[in-house]
This record gives sequence, structure tokens and C-alpha cells, in this order.
Amino acid sequence: QKEVEQNSGPLSVPEGAIASLNCTYSDRVSQSFFWYRQYSGKSPELIMSIYSNGDKEDGRFTAQLNKASQYVSLLIRDSQPSDSATYLCAVRYSSASKIIFGSGTRLSIRP
Amino acid sequence: ETGVTQTPRHLVMGMTNKKSLKCEQHLGHNAMYWYKQSAKKPLELMFVYNFKEQTENNSVPSRFSPECPNSSHLFLHLHTLQPEDSALYLCASSHILDGLRDRNTQYFGPGTRLTVL
Repeated sequence: QKEVEQNSGPLSVPEGAIASLNCTYSDRVSQSFFWYRQYSGKSPELIMSIYSNGDKEDGRFTAQLNKASQYVSLLIRDSQPSDSATYLCAVRYSSASKIIFGSGTRLSIRP
Repeated sequence: ETGVTQTPRHLVMGMTNKKSLKCEQHLGHNAMYWYKQSAKKPLELMFVYNFKEQTENNSVPSRFSPECPNSSHLFLHLHTLQPEDSALYLCASSHILDGLRDRNTQYFGPGTRLTVL
């Protein structure tokens, strides 16, 4: 059973600090990795995608991928209250025509 | 309209009703998806359509019946649902998931909040 695992949280981070969200996946033959943000009552919206080992930066967000250790993480610098949401990790396995989502980590930025 | 739209946004129905959810994408994608999201549970993939052909049915009960008349439209027909089917139903679209070039990003619609009484 291919799985994507995340700590459900809540993860509480003070405003202005770095929030670190982690995700592990079970299948070594994985191709694409995504982070989505979902506000309460809203649909998921894509924040970052990453396909190669290493870091990928986009504004305050950095995605990190380590295929050898089978984890992908999302760092949010200078955390803002508006970053409070549930963050979903998603993985596309090369053998599948679908994307598997984790259960999400709830992030709370406290002023 | 742009992106992925869904109607209705909210639906309350009895167990004997028949209703349909509609999804439309304006992104030029050729793959569409139905997901179910219940409280405190991961997104559950229900159906996948590639070029109007169903390629995935994730053991979904027959009371959910999808229809994809073309690459831009997707329906979910509902019949004799149960209270445990109450959830947020999300539609998404993407380019076909292929290995040649990664264009796998899925874009979600706003969802339909379904309540079954």
C-alpha cells in the first residue's frame, strides 16, 4: 500500500519564525511531489512542486526533497498569521496515474 | 470563468433524492478527478477520467455515478446516499499524467459541501 504520511499537528509557530512541515512516503519509485495549502472550508491550492533532490525556493517557501530518505519538507520563512492552514503533501508514483495525498498538517501561526 | 468551477457549492439532500454535482474546467486540461474529503480524513480519490475515459474507480459504491461527456465537464450523479456520505466533494483537473514531461499539477475547484439527511 503506497502511503504518504504527515504529522497531523497542530503545529504552533510564533509569527516571524520558520515553520517546518515534513512528509514521508513509502515508495522509492516516486516522481513528483507537491505541497498544497487548504484553508478551513476551502479547496486545496498548490504552493510548490518539486521533482529533483535538493531545495526549491519560491518567495517565503522552500521545498526540500530527499529521495534517499524518502521525505519531502516545506519551510515557511517569516511566518504570518495568514499562513495558518492545513498543509497537504502529495506524491505521484511513477507507476500510477494518480496522486496520493497525505492527511495534512494543521499549522497555526500565533501573533 | 477561469480555473475549475463547481456547482452547487452547497447541497442538502435526503437519502431517497437524486442529485448531480457539476464540474467544469477552463484550463485546457484533459484529465479530471473526483475526490471526497471527510472531516479529519485524507483526500480520497474516487474517480479519474483521462480524455473522457474512466481510468480509475477507487472501489466507490454504485450510488455514486460519474459522467464525463467531454474533457471540460465532469458530473457526479448521486442516488440513495447515506448520511456517512456527507462530505466536501472536490473536483480537480490536470494534464494527463505521463512520464514524458511532468505536468501533473492538479488544480482544484471550490468543492461542493454535501449534507445527507
